[in-house]
Amino acid sequence: NAGVTQTPKFQVLKTGQSMTLQCAQDMNHNSMYWYRQDPGMGLRLIYYSASEGTTDKGEVPNGYNVSRLNKREFSLRLESAAPSQTSVYFCASIPRGRYQETQYFGPGTRLLVL
Amino acid sequence: QKEVEQNSGPLSVPEGAIASLNCTYSDRGSQSFFWYRQYSGKSPELIMSIYSNGDKEDGRFTAQLNKASQYVSLLIRDSQPSDSATYLCAVIRVTDFNKFYFGSGTKLNVKP
Repeated sequence: NAGVTQTPKFQVLKTGQSMTLQCAQDMNHNSMYWYRQDPGMGLRLIYYSASEGTTDKGEVPNGYNVSRLNKREFSLRLESAAPSQTSVYFCASIPRGRYQETQYFGPGTRLLVL
Repeated sequence: QKEVEQNSGPLSVPEGAIASLNCTYSDRGSQSFFWYRQYSGKSPELIMSIYSNGDKEDGRFTAQLNKASQYVSLLIRDSQPSDSATYLCAVIRVTDFNKFYFGSGTKLNVKP
């Protein structure tokens, strides 16, 4: 049971390049999330998926797209990377979306946009 | 007004002392409250969760919730250098159990 996995661990992009961050969970969780974390900013929600086939915007969705490929996988795409998207990205999941459930986090992807 | 507010710190305490971390939230409809610990370069990990007014104890950690005053706190007794980390407060609203709102975190330094 690997929990939540993310690839890649680290990526350097040039401004304007595109890339997809991958996230997968093997816990049969319904809800999945993408956050970004900048110094002193805590975690900010980019997008989330309450169930397979649905996605919703979070606090900072501009410049990102997501795909809930199946129940296990939730990817985050940067179509045209900008230096402002330099950050650490965390994927997370929760079992069913009930009020007593907590999130399980992946190890993070460090992204540097030059 | 931010959903969840925390003092960014750093909060410095000597080894063996009690560390007190505080968090306030703006939405009275908030239902669930979580404290996460995050070591530098690592992902957040759950320390405590609390859903009802009062205290909840787990080992050296005690979470306190006061819904009338809209604050939640975390006490760490007998603080150890290994407790040095950033502590994130998160809340869930009753209207949407799927969305977590995080504070910016409080950095705790425990000095040997």
